[in-house]
Amino acid sequence: GQQLNQSPQSMFIQEGEDVSMNCTSSSIFNTWLWYKQDPGEGPVLLIALYKAGELTSNGRLTAQFGITRKDSFLNISASIPSDVGIYFCAGPPPGTYKYIFGTGTRLKVLA
Amino acid sequence: NAGVTQTPKFRVLKTGQSMTLLCAQDMNHEYMYWYRQDPGMGLRLIHYSVGEGTTAKGEVPDGYNVSRLKKQNFLLGLESAAPSQTSVYFCASSYRETQYFGPGTRLLVL
Repeated sequence: GQQLNQSPQSMFIQEGEDVSMNCTSSSIFNTWLWYKQDPGEGPVLLIALYKAGELTSNGRLTAQFGITRKDSFLNISASIPSDVGIYFCAGPPPGTYKYIFGTGTRLKVLA
Repeated sequence: NAGVTQTPKFRVLKTGQSMTLLCAQDMNHEYMYWYRQDPGMGLRLIHYSVGEGTTAKGEVPDGYNVSRLKKQNFLLGLESAAPSQTSVYFCASSYRETQYFGPGTRLLVL
């Protein structure tokens, strides 16, 4: 089946640093979603992207819908300890409601 | 509003036992989903529903059944639990592409 590959798988960063992560697919998507999951909780939607090339921000988070429609990127600026968690990309293949989630990027912030 | 709630929060089963996980949402959403999350992995879709009385298979439906008799509830059943079904189960409901997730049910099958 379709897969969403996220990189890096995990990262340690210093507080205050900027973070970049990406998500790639072998086929096109019309919608890209970025979620964050804290330990012991369900994922929470951070940003939704609907159009190729779209750049959308949510506070210190900025996500981009890749021009090829096969990738998306998430940036976090000036990271803080509460940014710790797992970040997932997700999306429904065109014409379906069968959401696919990436394997996640685990972020750890060193104070 | 409670959002999406899941019952129970944690359960231990023996191989071959059956159980039902309950998901309830109070946001009047048409779409509801059941996922499982295994250690170090993303969420995988088990079954979903686009409205009351409808269900459809997701990516990993084998060993599970679902029912959506009421719009606000989505039930996930395991008829004969297997150790491979040990996982954390998340329910979600959605308005358009925005999915709202419940807190999860941790299931251990011995």
